Amino acid sequence: GAVVSQHPSRVICKSGTSVKIECRSLDFQATTMFWYRQFPKQSLMLMATSNEGSKATYEQGVEKDKFLINHASLTLSTLTVTSAHPEDSSFYICSARQGAGKRTGNTIYFGEGSWLTVV
Amino acid sequence: GENVEQHPSTLSVQEGDSAVIKCTYSDSASNYFPWYKQELGKRPQLIIDIRSNVGEKKDQRIAVTLNKTAKHFSLHITETQPEDSAVYFCAFYSSASKIIFGSGTRLSIRP
Repeated sequence: GAVVSQHPSRVICKSGTSVKIECRSLDFQATTMFWYRQFPKQSLMLMATSNEGSKATYEQGVEKDKFLINHASLTLSTLTVTSAHPEDSSFYICSARQGAGKRTGNTIYFGEGSWLTVV
Repeated sequence: GENVEQHPSTLSVQEGDSAVIKCTYSDSASNYFPWYKQELGKRPQLIIDIRSNVGEKKDQRIAVTLNKTAKHFSLHITETQPEDSAVYFCAFYSSASKIIFGSGTRLSIRP
């Protein structure tokens, strides 16, 4: 199956600093990528939908100025957590949809996830 | 709004018995329903999916059933084994082309 790579897998940063997480589709072009956050023992909560060459669409309650998303190419989307605080500590995971257009049911592939700890 | 309810939140079954997890979704336009298995700290893995033009799909010990009229779909695992222990998430593909996840079911298999 298709491969989505996410980096870094673990990162620790100081409160007030910014951290960038990368999501790459290695063997297919992904016009759409999704960013999720997962707190311990909870479900995956969709943060935003990232579309190549356009602005990301954020879910209600997600601060777009705090969680900057860039999808500059068909194989790379980045999530930058700006001015991180301890409450931002979480498991962040991206996914990429293989296939163009808005056909429903195109297979979704997940990255390995990134554990962010803000101290 | 777009949401899916998943039950139960925890499930413990004897090894060899069957496990059933149920979900109810809200978006009647949805036509794709995947199920994911997630082990602690790892990415969700797609284990089976079903599209709205069929009512049931089976893959070895795993099956999924879909009732579009009632907006229900269920995961069935038969002859459970210790390696089936994990968290399972149902999901649906919303009309806005987003994958929306259920709250998850923590399945434990008792030896």
